[in-house]
Amino acid sequence: GAVVSQHPSRVICKSGTSVKIECRSLDFQATTMFWYRQFPKQSLMLMATSNEGSKATYEQGVEKDKFLINHASLTLSTLTVTSAHPEDSSFYICSFRGIASGTETQYFGPGTRLLVL
Amino acid sequence: RKEVEQDPGPFNVPEGATVAFNCTYSNSASQSFFWYRQDCRKEPKLLMSVYSSGNEDGRFTAQLNRASQYISLLIRDSKLSDSATYLCVVNFRLHGNNRLAFGKGNQVVVIP
Repeated sequence: GAVVSQHPSRVICKSGTSVKIECRSLDFQATTMFWYRQFPKQSLMLMATSNEGSKATYEQGVEKDKFLINHASLTLSTLTVTSAHPEDSSFYICSFRGIASGTETQYFGPGTRLLVL
Repeated sequence: RKEVEQDPGPFNVPEGATVAFNCTYSNSASQSFFWYRQDCRKEPKLLMSVYSSGNEDGRFTAQLNRASQYISLLIRDSKLSDSATYLCVVNFRLHGNNRLAFGKGNQVVVIP
């Protein structure tokens, strides 16, 4: 089946720095990818939808200038957390939607755990 | 009102016992339904889709009640490896796009 990879798996950074997270679909061309965030004991919350070759669509309350998304190819989407602050510490998960055995399925990356000091 | 609501638990279950839990969803136009499993500090993984007639996959049985807008999951003969958080996920269309809404999850702890 389709596989999604994310890099890095975890990152610790100082407040004010920027962090880039890469998401790759390894055997599937994804025209649409999703970025989620999950705080401890909370549900996954959609941050933005990333469309290949066009601007990402952000959810209400998610700052597009803080969370930069680039979906430059069918296999790569990146999320950059700019000027990270401790409240940005979270589990970031990318996902893409694809067809498997005739059924539309959503595949998730392994996630990136971000800790901002 | 949250799109998907679940009782977070934890549900402490003796090994070999049966555990069942529900989730409710608010959007009556929801089209498809899933249970995902999420292990600690890992990404969610699809456990099973939920069909209108109910469906079973081994020790797992899922039911959908559209009239009351709830979904259930039953785990029989619980194994220690079943310890995880089970996420109720609902697919609905918003502005022409498919969207997934996640519950917080039901945490299951299987006790030896």
